This record gives sequence, C-alpha cells and structure tokens, in this order.
Amino acid sequence: DTGVSQNPRHKITKRGQNVTFRCDPISEHNRLYWYRQTLGQGPEFLTYFQNEAQLEKSRLLSDRFSAERPKGSFSTLEIQRTEQGDSAMYLCASSSGRYNQPQHFGDGTRLSIL
Amino acid sequence: AQRVTQPEKLLSVFKGAPVELKCNYSYSGSPELFWYVQYSRQRLQLLLRHISRESIKGFTADLNKGETSFHLKKPFAQEEDSAMYYCALNSGGSNYKLTFGKGTLLTVNP
Repeated sequence: DTGVSQNPRHKITKRGQNVTFRCDPISEHNRLYWYRQTLGQGPEFLTYFQNEAQLEKSRLLSDRFSAERPKGSFSTLEIQRTEQGDSAMYLCASSSGRYNQPQHFGDGTRLSIL
Repeated sequence: AQRVTQPEKLLSVFKGAPVELKCNYSYSGSPELFWYVQYSRQRLQLLLRHISRESIKGFTADLNKGETSFHLKKPFAQEEDSAMYYCALNSGGSNYKLTFGKGTLLTVNP
C-alpha cells in the first residue's frame, strides 16, 4: 500500500480556468477529507466524506468548489472559475471508520493561479 | 469556536538540548489532540495522539485540561528532529475533522 495518492502534484493555471484534483485514499479507508493549506498556515478543513456521502462542508468551500466521491473510493475536488486566492496546497487525508483512528495524508496538490 | 494556538513559529535548539513545542487549545467539548510532523519533502504524518499516551521517537505530550495545553517535549533533541510540527484538535466529534495550529518549525543545530 502506497498510502494516500494525490494527482497532479502541481497545477498551474490562469485565473478563470477550472481545475480538478484527484485523491485515492488507502484502500480500506471509508473516510476521506480535503484540507487546504496556505503559506504560513496549518491545514484548514474543507469537506469530509464517509463512503460516498459528503457529510460536512466548511464555510471555506464556496459555490465554486465541488467535491465528489462517486463510488466511495477515489474523490475529486473541482474548482470552477479559479481566483488568485485559490492558490494553495490542497491536501487529502483518509482514515478507517474505527474509533479515533488517525488521518493519513497525501502529498498534496499545489495549485498556482497566474 | 475551536482554536489551536502554537505561539512559536520558529524554534532553534542545539543537538542534545531539551525541546518543548507549545500548543494551547480552546474547545468546549472533550478534546482529542494530536501532533503531526512534516519532515523536509515528506508528507504530513502523525507523530502522536494524547489518547495513546505513548512516546514516539522520544517525544511525549501530556494533555493538561486545566491549562488547555498539549505541549510536545523531548529531553534530548537530535538533528533528525528538524521538521515542521503541527498540533491538531479533533473538532468534529464523530466526523474527526481536524483543526490545526499554524505550526512550529523546529531546527536542531549540530
């Protein structure tokens, strides 16, 4: 098991374009989380899935953001009409459903908006 | 609102010296606290959690509910301990979403 996998590692795009990131969690994990991290800050929670159900979304997740986990396996995070402020590292984490099991993080996708 | 405060952005010590990375939290419920570490060019990984009460790589952390603190300590720092350390609070109940501090960059000098 290679752990949580995120693609792409880096994404550079022009303002106004749409971008999509993918996260493949650890195979037996049914919980999946997205976080965003900007320079000098810790990761900030964006959204959470249990299996295919999106159970919680942060107020940070504007209408331009959408996340899916169609079959309870991999997840995608899409940002429409990107803005300069969307530049950040987007982290995915997964965990099992057992009590108090830790979250395992991927390497992240670094988004740069030109 | 839940909050995690790590007052030191940077901490520099010499090899063999004791190290303490501070973490304070505010949370109205029963807290579950973690320390995550990120070594250079590596992903964020769990170092330890208060519920386990274990020592990992010589590090320990004790939850002090009276002072709302969860400081990370090691009696003798090693150069390989140099990394970014994040304190995190489970602020989501059964959802286990994490609230992170801003992190402390620890540098252990030879």
